[in-house]
Amino acid sequence: AQSVTQLGSHVSVSEGALVLLRCNYSSSVPPYLFWYVQYPNQGLQLLLKYTSAATLVKGINGFEAEFKKSETSFHLTKPSAHMSDAAEYFCAVSEASGNKLVFGAGTILRVKS
Amino acid sequence: KAGVTQTPRYLIKTRGQQVTLSCSPISGHRSVSWYQQTPGQGLQFLFEYFSETQRNKGNFPGRFSGRQFSNSRSEMNVSTLELGDSALYLCASSLRPSLNTEAFFGQGTRLTVV
Repeated sequence: AQSVTQLGSHVSVSEGALVLLRCNYSSSVPPYLFWYVQYPNQGLQLLLKYTSAATLVKGINGFEAEFKKSETSFHLTKPSAHMSDAAEYFCAVSEASGNKLVFGAGTILRVKS
Repeated sequence: KAGVTQTPRYLIKTRGQQVTLSCSPISGHRSVSWYQQTPGQGLQFLFEYFSETQRNKGNFPGRFSGRQFSNSRSEMNVSTLELGDSALYLCASSLRPSLNTEAFFGQGTRLTVV
């Protein structure tokens, strides 16, 4: 079964600094990978998804992620953090059997002014 | 177009009671999945429905059940509630159960069991 590991349950950056949220996956087949963001008391919103078309994936709100098969990683980055980026971020992999997502434990991003 | 609608948003129940949560997917979406989110266990898959059929089920006890109607709306039921069932229950809809199909999430129902 697929699994996802997010390194760092909390990440703190200054406004304007680089954001790097780490995600490693375990999959025996080419994975479909996703990053979601969750604001307090809200559902999940898709930031971006990797579906093997390109290794560098651009998403909404200036986020992007690079798929590295050799490192089994799919880290999320944003060049310049904004206060509105403060939220919890989840990496997920799609199970082979359909519309079932396996989520990482999440990383809470704090942005300091 | 309207997003995924979950009702109610908040619910307080007593141990031993049962509860039914509702999810209306985006118009045209026929696949609905349910997830439980807790601080300790994170986001865990409950079950997935497509065309009124359960396609997948997560590792939850039989007290957790669901169904999907012909209009793709879905309900989940939890019987004999336990304190540990307190969680945010999220519903996600997608066009079809495909590996790379984007899932759209509702705002969730926060269930508190006292």
